[in-house]
Amino acid sequence: AQSVTQPDIHITVSEGASLELRCNYSYGATPYLFWYVQSPGQGLQLLLKYFSGDTLVQGIKGFEAEFKRSQSSFNLRKPSVHWSDAAEYFCAVGEETSGSRLTFGEGTQLTVNP
Amino acid sequence: GAVVSQHPSWVICKSGTSVKIECRSLDFQATTMFWYRQFPKQSLMLMATSNEGSKATYEQGVEKDKFLINHASLTLSTLTVTSAHPEDSSFYICSARRNRGAVHFGDGTRLSIL
Repeated sequence: AQSVTQPDIHITVSEGASLELRCNYSYGATPYLFWYVQSPGQGLQLLLKYFSGDTLVQGIKGFEAEFKRSQSSFNLRKPSVHWSDAAEYFCAVGEETSGSRLTFGEGTQLTVNP
Repeated sequence: GAVVSQHPSWVICKSGTSVKIECRSLDFQATTMFWYRQFPKQSLMLMATSNEGSKATYEQGVEKDKFLINHASLTLSTLTVTSAHPEDSSFYICSARRNRGAVHFGDGTRLSIL
């Protein structure tokens, strides 16, 4: 069965600092990997996804993620965090590129200090 | 703007009542929709896959008679929580898949059972 682990429940960074959110997955076949962001009481917004090709994926809002098959990881990064990036971030693995039937990680809550 | 709409966004009702949540795709036809449940400060768990014109496919451990799903048209799926109790209080999120395309999430429905 597929699973996703986000080791960090809560991360705090200063505005302008770099950010890396960790994600490890377990999946039997070629994984389709996603990062979503959720603001309080809101739905999910897709930041980026990976399913093949270049292992460094660029997303919206200045985010990027790197797929490392040897480490079963898909970590999310941003060079310089803005206060508006404070939110909950979810890594997910799916059965196809569209984002159907997703298995989500536990989420990482990001706090940004001024 | 939003391409998937959920209604209501927040509902409070008494224990024992049934509650219907709607998920609409606003500018595309969605042959498949997905229902997720999210407990406070936890991840999203896939409850069921809703296919237009056929029975929903429920994930293991989800009670079919408790969570009734109807996907009567290409733009509307409904989730009815029957005889709701306080333990059913949660955040319910739907997503809709464009035909052979990407999945879009709704903004979620917060259900509180008193």
